[in-house]
Amino acid sequence: NAGVTQTPKFQVLKTGQSMTLQCAQDMNHNSMYWYRQDPGMGLRLIYYSASEGTTDKGEVPNGYNVSRLNKREFSLRLESAAPSQTSVYFCASSEQLLSDTQYFGPGTRLTVL
Amino acid sequence: DQQVKQNSPSLSVQEGRISILNCDYTNSMFDYFLWYKKYPAEGPTFLISISSIKDKNEDGRFTVFLNKSAKHLSLHIVPSQPGDSAVYFCAASTGGSNYKLTFGKGTLLTVNP
Repeated sequence: NAGVTQTPKFQVLKTGQSMTLQCAQDMNHNSMYWYRQDPGMGLRLIYYSASEGTTDKGEVPNGYNVSRLNKREFSLRLESAAPSQTSVYFCASSEQLLSDTQYFGPGTRLTVL
Repeated sequence: DQQVKQNSPSLSVQEGRISILNCDYTNSMFDYFLWYKKYPAEGPTFLISISSIKDKNEDGRFTVFLNKSAKHLSLHIVPSQPGDSAVYFCAASTGGSNYKLTFGKGTLLTVNP
């Protein structure tokens, strides 16, 4: 039981490059989330998926797209990376959207040059 | 507009003493409050939560107090242990169709042996 896994752990991109951050959970959770954390800031919700087949924008969705590939997997795509997207990205999951406990992955540290 | 505020960036406490972490919020629609703990290079982990219909919730050494009239909550850790040293995030959520989960910027707690 690995919980929430994220790949890659680290990534360096040049401005304008694209990439996809992968997230998978093995807890049979319905809801999944993508957050970013910047220095001195709390976690900010980028997108979330209440259940398989649905996605919704969070607080800071601009510049990102998501895909809920199946119940286990929720990917985050940067189509044209910008330096402002340099951050640590966390994926999380919970049983239901309003469940109190969200389980977080270890994070992906992304640097955009 | 920061709707969840943790005004103390850091707190230092002696082992065995009480740690009190504070959090204020401005959105009266928040009806569920959570505390997460985060160690360096790891994802946040859920610690304790409280519903807006309660004013206190206790789990072992951790107690969360909610003062709705003051829009204030606090996390008490007693006795504090060196392993409690981490960043603590306060978060608040709204329910219903307008789901929102907002995190504070975090407080770095250091428990000195």
